[in-house]
Amino acid sequence: DAGVIQSPRHEVTEMGQEVTLRCKPISGHNSLFWYRQTMMRGLELLIYFNNNVPIDDSGMPEDRFSAKMPNASFSTLKIQPSEPRDSAVYFCASSSQGATGANVLTFGAGSRLTVL
Amino acid sequence: GQSLEQPSEVTAVEGAIVQINCTYQTSGFYGLSWYQQHDGGAPTFLSYNALDGLEETGRFSSFLSRSDSYGYLLLQELQMKDSASYFCAVEGNNRLAFGKGNQVVVIP
Repeated sequence: DAGVIQSPRHEVTEMGQEVTLRCKPISGHNSLFWYRQTMMRGLELLIYFNNNVPIDDSGMPEDRFSAKMPNASFSTLKIQPSEPRDSAVYFCASSSQGATGANVLTFGAGSRLTVL
Repeated sequence: GQSLEQPSEVTAVEGAIVQINCTYQTSGFYGLSWYQQHDGGAPTFLSYNALDGLEETGRFSSFLSRSDSYGYLLLQELQMKDSASYFCAVEGNNRLAFGKGNQVVVIP
């Protein structure tokens, strides 16, 4: 298995532009997580899906952020409009169980976003 | 809600032992995990404790005390490749929340 695949690896954009981050989870994993990592705030859970259904989106900062999982093999995280404070590394992770019990997350390589 | 506390940085020599502590607050606790992250890399899973006691995986061990809401990760026989950040992550309330992490720097 190729692991969790994220794209793009790096993105530099200007304030106000739309940003779309993509994730392909490991085949057979039924849970998918989006995290954001910054020096100041560490790893923050933004949203997670179980069987393609959003279970907890309480970590999504505001209405500018949205996430979708149209099928078991693809998810997107969209920021519109983007702001400089959104600059961070965004990680996607998948696991074979929900967020209960022994839950081993496999992370993608991350998407480093810089908003100018 | 959930909160985790971890100290920030530790420097140790090769061959030494380092203990990284984690205290947490959460409702509906299920378990405590540990992840390693090298600079520029992604977090990778190290160990998981759901019950009190010690779990050993090679040079790394993890301990949990549910009554104290406390756990630790023990790194033994430190190697240069162990220089990384180490995160505890608590499962509770249908969420997996990570601590701020503890950076370990191994020196010759």
